[in-house]
Amino acid sequence: GENVGLHLPTLSVQEGDNSIINCAYSNSASDYFIWYKQESGKGPQFIIDIRSNMDKRQGQRVTVLLNKTVKHLSLQIAATQPGDSAVYFCASRKGGGNKLTFGTGTQLKVEL
Amino acid sequence: EAQVTQNPRYLITVTGKKLTVTCSQNMNHEYMSWYRQDPGLGLRQIYYSMNVEVTDKGDVPEGYKVSRKEKRNFPLILESPSPNQTSLYFCASSSGTGGGQPQHFGDGTRLSIL
Repeated sequence: GENVGLHLPTLSVQEGDNSIINCAYSNSASDYFIWYKQESGKGPQFIIDIRSNMDKRQGQRVTVLLNKTVKHLSLQIAATQPGDSAVYFCASRKGGGNKLTFGTGTQLKVEL
Repeated sequence: EAQVTQNPRYLITVTGKKLTVTCSQNMNHEYMSWYRQDPGLGLRQIYYSMNVEVTDKGDVPEGYKVSRKEKRNFPLILESPSPNQTSLYFCASSSGTGGGQPQHFGDGTRLSIL
């Protein structure tokens, strides 16, 4: 089966700094990866995704990096803002279908 | 506005009293899914549906039922709830059935079974 895990349960950063949230997956057949943001009292919100045929994808203030050699995924948030405070989940999909396997989440705390 | 709507948002009930959590999406998505979220365990899939009248078990289906009579609705049914089903539940939907599209989540239903 697939195991997806985040490296740190909590990450504290200063406002304006860059944040890096890491995630590891176990199944080399995983071909699609997503990052979600979950604020208190809300459902997970899609941030960015990446397919296994890419190693980097950029969005607005966010970048996802994929290293298939070591089965590692990271989310970089540039110029972190207080509104970025949330729990961040990575999820992966094993080739085909819609089933996602989720990590347990990293709580990002932005200090003023 | 594109959204996934769950009701109720909060429910406290007693063991054995049947309950239904409704889920509706307005994006014409084929795929819908239910998850439960528990501390330290992340999101675990309960049931999913690839399209109308097509449902299948996820990782933790015991004690739950679902139905998909219409494309937009995917209710979660607890026929005889037990305290170990106390959890935060999320419904999600995505377009297509081939994967590779992000799932959109509702805001959750917090169930407490006493």
